[in-house]
Amino acid sequence: QKEVEQDPGPLSVPEGAIVSLNCTYSNSAFQYFMWYRQYSRKGPELLMYTYSSGNKEDGRFTAQVDKSSKYISLFIRDSQPSDSATYLCAMSVDQTGANNLFFGTGTRLTVIP
Amino acid sequence: DVKVTQSSRYLVKRTGEKVFLECVQDMDHENMFWYRQDPGLGLRLIYFSYDVKMKEKGDIPEGYSVSREKKERFSLILESASTNQTSMYLCASSSGITDTQYFGPGTRLTVL
Repeated sequence: QKEVEQDPGPLSVPEGAIVSLNCTYSNSAFQYFMWYRQYSRKGPELLMYTYSSGNKEDGRFTAQVDKSSKYISLFIRDSQPSDSATYLCAMSVDQTGANNLFFGTGTRLTVIP
Repeated sequence: DVKVTQSSRYLVKRTGEKVFLECVQDMDHENMFWYRQDPGLGLRLIYFSYDVKMKEKGDIPEGYSVSREKKERFSLILESASTNQTSMYLCASSSGITDTQYFGPGTRLTVL
């Protein structure tokens, strides 16, 4: 079983829709959770960063962590064509080293005008 | 504005060639990373470095080596390129694991 599971999609939604992207994980020791956005032919950029459980909101983006279910989500409200990209979740146990950082495979999102 | 640059956006090499991928960051970060990204597999860590001349193996170090002679520069070396090393290679840097990892634009390497 992979440490982090993420549906690769692709996911297509109309402009203005609410998008829900999800990851599940198996290691209950994960404490730090991240979402990256990667446009075609570009490197990933950090979108959201959360520690432990709860919600975090930044503009149209909301990151949600449910540690009891080992489930994290990224919600995008009022989706725009410029949101079309691949979204990767990532998580880590602690701050001791890069080997603790585990990535999902990414979900490709297309927002149709 | 933070910046991570990679020496090439696209590279085409032949099997058996020695390949150098260069990464430079201007943020005085301690940590630098090399990943490869393949469809369905996501990002996988090849090597990372937490200080000058220091390196640690990641998840898939076989067939690769790295060099960090200066803090701002981290090189990935393919001693003898093989077709299964055709991939997108991404460099990143950060101050610490919970700090933002800043990624370069990536190098798409094709080995023929």
